[in-house]
Parts: sequence; structure tokens; C-alpha cells
Amino acid sequence: QVQLQESGPGLVKPSETLSLTCTVSGGSISSYYWSWIRQSPGKGLEWIGYIYSSGSTNYNPSLKSRITISIDTSRNQFALKLSSVTAADTAVYYCARIKRLELDYWGQGTLVTVSS
Amino acid sequence: EIVLTQSPDTLSLSPGERATLSCRASQSVGSNYLAWYQQRPGQAPRLLIYGASNRATGIPDSFSGSGSGTDFTLTISRLEPEDFAFYYCQQYGRSGRLTFGGGTKVEIK
Repeated sequence: QVQLQESGPGLVKPSETLSLTCTVSGGSISSYYWSWIRQSPGKGLEWIGYIYSSGSTNYNPSLKSRITISIDTSRNQFALKLSSVTAADTAVYYCARIKRLELDYWGQGTLVTVSS
Repeated sequence: EIVLTQSPDTLSLSPGERATLSCRASQSVGSNYLAWYQQRPGQAPRLLIYGASNRATGIPDSFSGSGSGTDFTLTISRLEPEDFAFYYCQQYGRSGRLTFGGGTKVEIK
């Protein structure tokens, strides 16, 4: 059973960079696409971007200038960096696996609050 | 970019009733590219339906998906207490980008 676990600081100051890691267990990170999704409090789901195990990426155009997604296949991990954060970036951040064209395994999510 | 509009925003029903949720796309979506998710309070979303009509592993047959083009439907044939939750549709666009609908809340009447 594939499991995903997000980790990283729960509090980030405005204008700084949010950094999260997703650790994949129970299966290989190779040959799949891996995605980040976020959900602002009381709101719907927003796709952030994804990365293939080879390192190729695709980002949400609305966030593209601030996002970097990377992957470390030796550690079975992939990561998200979101720069110049504001209060609008406060959200629960999820990592997930893309199988075919849908998200079949999700992490439990981690709340990141942007506040000074 | 394709926009997904879900309706209604809230569906108030009683256990045992049938729920019909709609997801309408601003442009035609390939049937293989439409999925549905359930999200219970405090939990991550769970894949229900992929390819518009295929149930994901472990999903009961009370859940069914249908539709093509711009109109898709998620039907829950008989609501169980644990089915009261939020539901989201998602599409995978030609650009490789994913988008979600705004969600429908199924609440107990």
C-alpha cells in the first residue's frame, strides 16, 4: 500500500519561502507523476504542480513564477518550494500520486500558516 | 483553460436517498480525463471515480459516474451516513494541467 507523508514547517513568515517534502513509502517513486495540491481554509482544491520521476515538471500558471518542485528518487521524496509567500498562501498542502490522469494516493495534508 | 462548475453548491438529503451531483466543463473534456473525489471533514480527498465512469479500488457500487463532453454526473444511489461529505470533480487538460471544480457539499437534511 503506497503511503505519502508531508513534512515541513507549519509557520512561515510573509515574503519567505515555504518548503515542504513528501516522502513516499510502500512503493517506488519511479515511473509516476507526483503532485502538490493545496486547500485554503474553508475553500476548494487548487492544483499547484507536478513532477515526473525523470524531473520534468508542469506548474499551475497562476503560481508558476514562485514554484519549484524537485524530486530525489534515491530517497523516494519530492519537494515543493513556494517563494514570496503571503497570507493568501495559508492552506493545507497535500502531496499525491498521479496514476493515469487522476490522483489515486494522497498524503494526510499539512497546514502551513503564513504569519509574522 | 477549462473551468469546471459543480452544482448544486449544497445538496440536503436524508440517509437512503439518491444523490445526483453535476460537473459541467467550459469546453469538452475527454472522458478519460474526468475524475471524482470525496472529502470528509479533516481528511484528505479520496479518489472515487476515474475516466468518468470507473470506480476506484474499494469504492462501493453505490457510487457511479457518467457523462461525456461537457456534462458529467456523480450518482450515489443510496446515501449512507458516511457519504455526507464534500465532492469534487477534476479534469486533466491538454496542456497537462489539472483543474478542480468548486465542490458540492452533501449534507444531512
